[in-house]
Amino acid sequence: AAGVIQSPRHLIKEKRETATLKCYPIPRHDTVYWYQQGPGQDPQFLISFYEKMQSDKGSIPDRFSAQQFSDYHSELNMSSLELGDSALYFCASSPGLGAGNEQFFGPGTRLTVL
Amino acid sequence: AQKVTQAQTEISVVEKEDVTLDCVYETRDTTYYLFWYKQPPSGELVFLIRRNSFDEQNEISGRYSWNFQKSTSSFNFTITASQVVDSAVYFCALRYAYEHGSGNTGKLIFGQGTTLQVKP
Repeated sequence: AAGVIQSPRHLIKEKRETATLKCYPIPRHDTVYWYQQGPGQDPQFLISFYEKMQSDKGSIPDRFSAQQFSDYHSELNMSSLELGDSALYFCASSPGLGAGNEQFFGPGTRLTVL
Repeated sequence: AQKVTQAQTEISVVEKEDVTLDCVYETRDTTYYLFWYKQPPSGELVFLIRRNSFDEQNEISGRYSWNFQKSTSSFNFTITASQVVDSAVYFCALRYAYEHGSGNTGKLIFGQGTTLQVKP
């Protein structure tokens, strides 16, 4: 069965650079969630999209922006990277916003900021 | 406020021992879902179980079992006869039901995680 695809899997950037993380949801899933997991931390919700519209926003820095495209894939854009942005970034997709719908997680993108 | 607490930061057991991971949650909602995820050293999040707030029936899946008690707002996870491959970080998570117009959008709220080390 198709799973959530995230690219790249690993990314190394310098401070003040920009990064773009991509998420390809499971086919026919219209809802995407982004989570950030710092070292030794639990995943923290960043932002979500439903039918290409932002549906919720968590503690996402202003330096970050995201969108969902017409094919439902999503991109998380991160600018002016800081050392503290080093984390594992997960994308999850779901067939709708209903809480009974399971969120399927991708393998994550490990971002390292030097 | 919605909150999930996993008071056990780290647990170490010897193979074949039983181990219980505790999870306590807070929510004002009457309809919600609880989850357990496993995160092995490779980093991916592996879904283990989902329970809704109206189903307090305990569940067993192989060596895994879950005890959901609304009266104590707990959703504990027991591994019977632990194995080295069970070594991982385990997260309990809460998701409240989406209601159109209420603002609930189904995001997951995770606990701090419990690191389980199973020694041979």
